Amino acid sequence: NAGVTQTPKFQVLKTGQSMTLQCAQDMNHEYMSWYRQDPGMGLRLIHYSVGAGITDQGEVPNGYNVSRSTTEDFPLRLLSAAPSQTSVYFCASSTGTSGRQFFGPGTRLTVL
Amino acid sequence: KQEVTQIPAALSVPEGENLVLNCSFTDSAIYNLQWFRQDPGKGLTSLLLIQSSQREQTSGRLNASLDKSSGRSTLYIAASQPGDSATYLCAVLDSNYQLIWGAGTKLIIKP
Repeated sequence: NAGVTQTPKFQVLKTGQSMTLQCAQDMNHEYMSWYRQDPGMGLRLIHYSVGAGITDQGEVPNGYNVSRSTTEDFPLRLLSAAPSQTSVYFCASSTGTSGRQFFGPGTRLTVL
Repeated sequence: KQEVTQIPAALSVPEGENLVLNCSFTDSAIYNLQWFRQDPGKGLTSLLLIQSSQREQTSGRLNASLDKSSGRSTLYIAASQPGDSATYLCAVLDSNYQLIWGAGTKLIIKP
């Protein structure tokens, strides 16, 4: 199993550009989530999904969209990038909301 | 609002020592607590998960305890090795099924 995969690993955007961060898992997990990690802070939840076709907002959803058309994929879209979105983004999956979380390697995003 | 704190932010110890990392949380209404390890430039790896009804979990040289009433958890690492150097994070699953994270403790084991 590949586990949780994320692409790209690094990305530089200009303010106002849009892009999609990809996340996929091959463990048949129902629960998937997106976090951002900023220096000196804990991870913060952006969006999550409890199954295909179901998504919900986390703590910091503004500026981001998600969709969950399949169990395997959970892409995160930045609509109009801002410097405040410079961060490391992690995708995670688990068998349920209370299960052990499996993380992807992260995407390091810089917005100029 | 649930808050999770990890003290100290950084810790450096000689190889071979036993050590304890601390995690505290403000609201005892949690479903579980997890400890993770993060290596530089990498994702997070789940080390131990303690359900709210449990007092401790063990995996190899790692032992995690949970005292829900006092809002505290400790991660005990026995016979530390340079390969244990990493950032250790704890996270609690709160009453809304949201994971609330501490900022982590950066651990350096000196050979």
